[in-house]
Amino acid sequence: GQNIDQPTEMTATEGAIVQINCTYQTSGFNGLFWYQQHAGEAPTFLSYNVLDGLEEKGRFSSFLSRSKGYSYLLLKELQMKDSASYLCAAMDSNYQLIWGAGTKLIIKP
Amino acid sequence: ETGVTQTPRHLVMGMTNKKSLKCEQHLGHNAMYWYKQSAKKPLELMFVYSLEERVENNSVPSRFSPECPNSSHLFLHLHTLQPEDSALYLCASSLRGPEANVLTFGAGSRLTVL
Repeated sequence: GQNIDQPTEMTATEGAIVQINCTYQTSGFNGLFWYQQHAGEAPTFLSYNVLDGLEEKGRFSSFLSRSKGYSYLLLKELQMKDSASYLCAAMDSNYQLIWGAGTKLIIKP
Repeated sequence: ETGVTQTPRHLVMGMTNKKSLKCEQHLGHNAMYWYKQSAKKPLELMFVYSLEERVENNSVPSRFSPECPNSSHLFLHLHTLQPEDSALYLCASSLRGPEANVLTFGAGSRLTVL
């Protein structure tokens, strides 16, 4: 079957760095997405990786290893506003998104 | 403002009621989606409309009935729901083609079925 695994909850300190991991098993693979969802708000698109490697976008970076079925989202210089859920989703061979249950990130002062 | 507007934001209904959720986008997108989000569970894709034609129906019970009158509007008609249908219902839109999975979501309609 198709499956996405990511931690349920993580806690980090303001100003620090946190890495949110995601492993996937899909029928075929056409890329990996990360979305951010603040409580009570809409999920918003953060990143899309289809090739191996690290893609940096300001304080946020996303990494993909296709051979390992693994991705991570790296958040640097954490701010209180980064407290949110982070959703990992892999696109299968039919270009359908397979979603993880999300990682709730709690930032403490 | 995300560009995708959902109403109502909150809805409480009994199992015998009929209600509708509405979604509107003016982003020029030509695909629209309904997702169900339950606590601590992955997003569940319910329906996809592409160019106003339904292209996906993931074994959703018939008590959920979608309608897409044009590329800017999407409805989810609800009737004789069950308490387990209580969840956040998210609408999303995108362009078709290579960017189809770069979704713009609405803030959702929180549904409680008594």
